[in-house]
Amino acid sequence: GAGVSQSPSNKVTEKGKDVELRCDPISGHTALYWYRQSLGQGLEFLIYFQGNSAPDKSGLPSDRFSAERTGGSVSTLTIQRTQQEDSAVYLCASSLAGGSGDTQYFGPGTRLTVL
Amino acid sequence: KQEVTQIPAALSVPEGENLVLNCSFTDSAIYNLQWFRQDPGKGLTSLLLIQSSQREQTSGRLNASLDKSSGRSTLYIAASQPGDSATYLCAAKSGGSYIPTFGRGTSLIVHP
Repeated sequence: GAGVSQSPSNKVTEKGKDVELRCDPISGHTALYWYRQSLGQGLEFLIYFQGNSAPDKSGLPSDRFSAERTGGSVSTLTIQRTQQEDSAVYLCASSLAGGSGDTQYFGPGTRLTVL
Repeated sequence: KQEVTQIPAALSVPEGENLVLNCSFTDSAIYNLQWFRQDPGKGLTSLLLIQSSQREQTSGRLNASLDKSSGRSTLYIAASQPGDSATYLCAAKSGGSYIPTFGRGTSLIVHP
């Protein structure tokens, strides 16, 4: 079956603009994660959705970042008033239920460049 | 707070060598530990997942071990090939959290 997909694959924007990044998880996966990967850095957790529960937003770096997950499937990560330090690869992952035995499946990422 | 460290940060070996990548974690109360591979410009691909009750997992030329008491996991790659060149990341999912903590990865180059 189809894996996790993300769009766009690349996004170049000007400082101060808003951007939306999309993630389509694997069908039937109730858990969805967003991460950020900066050059030379590890994966930084941003937000976690599990079913209909309130999302874990503890990793969002500022109030310019927000995310939604509609209908328990597609998720959108929005960055408002982008800054140059927001430039990174944004990765989405999904898993069956977020449990201890679950394997995470990652999308190819969206490379964001803020000029 | 869980911290995950991977050593070495980079490794270059000739084709055919057996090699070991190391992953250490500070909180031994983990649910599982997962190894991933990341090719340049791509997302992460899961290689092996070891549950806390397991000691090792094997897939083809890959073998991952887990020693919770010492806070270590190793990924053993047998008979390395140029196609194994990639960054290898480990991630530990700790008790009480569904958010895995990732190491920074080991960048592996296998040259012909």
